Amino acid sequence: QKEVEQNSGPLSVPEGAIASLNCTYSDRGSQSFFWYRQYSGKSPELIMFIYSNGDKEDGRFTAQLNKASQYVSLLIRDSQPSDSATYLCAADQGAQKLVFGQGTRLTINP
Amino acid sequence: ETGVTQTPRHLVMGMTNKKSLKCEQHLGHNAMYWYKQSAKKPLELMFVYSLEERVENNSVPSRFSPECPNSSHLFLHLHTLQPEDSALYLCASSQDTGPTNNEQFFGPGTRLTVL
Repeated sequence: QKEVEQNSGPLSVPEGAIASLNCTYSDRGSQSFFWYRQYSGKSPELIMFIYSNGDKEDGRFTAQLNKASQYVSLLIRDSQPSDSATYLCAADQGAQKLVFGQGTRLTINP
Repeated sequence: ETGVTQTPRHLVMGMTNKKSLKCEQHLGHNAMYWYKQSAKKPLELMFVYSLEERVENNSVPSRFSPECPNSSHLFLHLHTLQPEDSALYLCASSQDTGPTNNEQFFGPGTRLTVL
């Protein structure tokens, strides 16, 4: 069973600090990786995707990919209370399949 | 608003009922998906359709029957469900199915309760 692993949390971060969310995956064939944000009672919302090793920045969000270590992370700078949500990591395993982790619940404390 | 709509948003049904979930995407995408999200479990892929052809059936029980009449519409027909099928059912679509352009956009979901 190809898996994506995330720490379920909750992860608590003070407002204005950097939140760091981590994800590991088991399928070395995965080529693309996605971070989704899901507010309670809502559907997942795509935040970022990354295909290449290294960092990809979009506003306050930075995705990091290390294929050798099979590791993906999401950094949120200047965390805001509105960033409080569950963050889902997903890996593309080909054949139109995304495999999701169970999500990390993030709480930003004012 | 992602451009993917789902109806109904909430559904309560008995185990002997037959109902259908509907999904429509307004994004011009080629692929559509059904997922199941249960409490404390990862999102589970159920079905994938690419250009109206089913390309993945992820070991889903036959009481769930998908239908994709065209690239904009996707249905999930439900019959003889069990209480453990109660969950949030999410529809998603993506532009393409290769290693790029495969970002998936989700609809708001249907919250299903089976009594």
